[in-house]
Amino acid sequence: DGGITQSPKYLFRKEGQNVTLSCEQNLNHDAMYWYRQDPGQGLRLIYYSQIVNDFQKGDIAEGYSVSREKKESFPLTVTSAQKNPTAFYLCASSIRARANTGELFFGEGSRLTVL
Amino acid sequence: GQQLNQSPQSMFIQEGEDVSMNCTSSSIFNTWLWYKQDPGEGPVLLIALYKAGELTSNGRLTAQFGITRKDSFLNISASIPSDVGIYFCAGQNYGGSQGNLIFGKGTKLSVKP
Repeated sequence: DGGITQSPKYLFRKEGQNVTLSCEQNLNHDAMYWYRQDPGQGLRLIYYSQIVNDFQKGDIAEGYSVSREKKESFPLTVTSAQKNPTAFYLCASSIRARANTGELFFGEGSRLTVL
Repeated sequence: GQQLNQSPQSMFIQEGEDVSMNCTSSSIFNTWLWYKQDPGEGPVLLIALYKAGELTSNGRLTAQFGITRKDSFLNISASIPSDVGIYFCAGQNYGGSQGNLIFGKGTKLSVKP
């Protein structure tokens, strides 16, 4: 079945360590996104990519990095520079033709806890 | 920046009751969307609205795109336990990048059997 796979589902890390969250999609979507969700908050955009080898910063990109070497993959690295990394991270994708209509397909999320 | 005000923040209702929630903004949007998030999962698109005044249904769900383009509501009729979750509204402007998709803070729905 087509979909978006995020891994790991749960991740615990010590403060100061970099962490990479995986996101893979087999929907043949051109655009991919990373959102951060905190309790009682809406979704805040970290980074997005409309095409391979290109990506743009979202509203809260500081302390994060991404790459888009393949159409199917959009990994997110949470660096030690991110002041408050504990959160629920959501990856999403969209068909390029609908990239500006807000219709996103989300993965199941990765919950990162920094100890 | 643009913000969406979503209300209520949470709702506790009896199974079988109807539910209504809404989203307002000081800015105009070209598209309004409603997503549902089950606990521990990613959001799923419920309804997308593209024209001012548009009224769209999806089963027991009905959503409307406000005529001023600054608001939208979602109604759920005859609620059932699986309706539990967080409902997010989102607004999008055409012509901008996907970075212009703005999410509300969500309405958490709890259903008592």
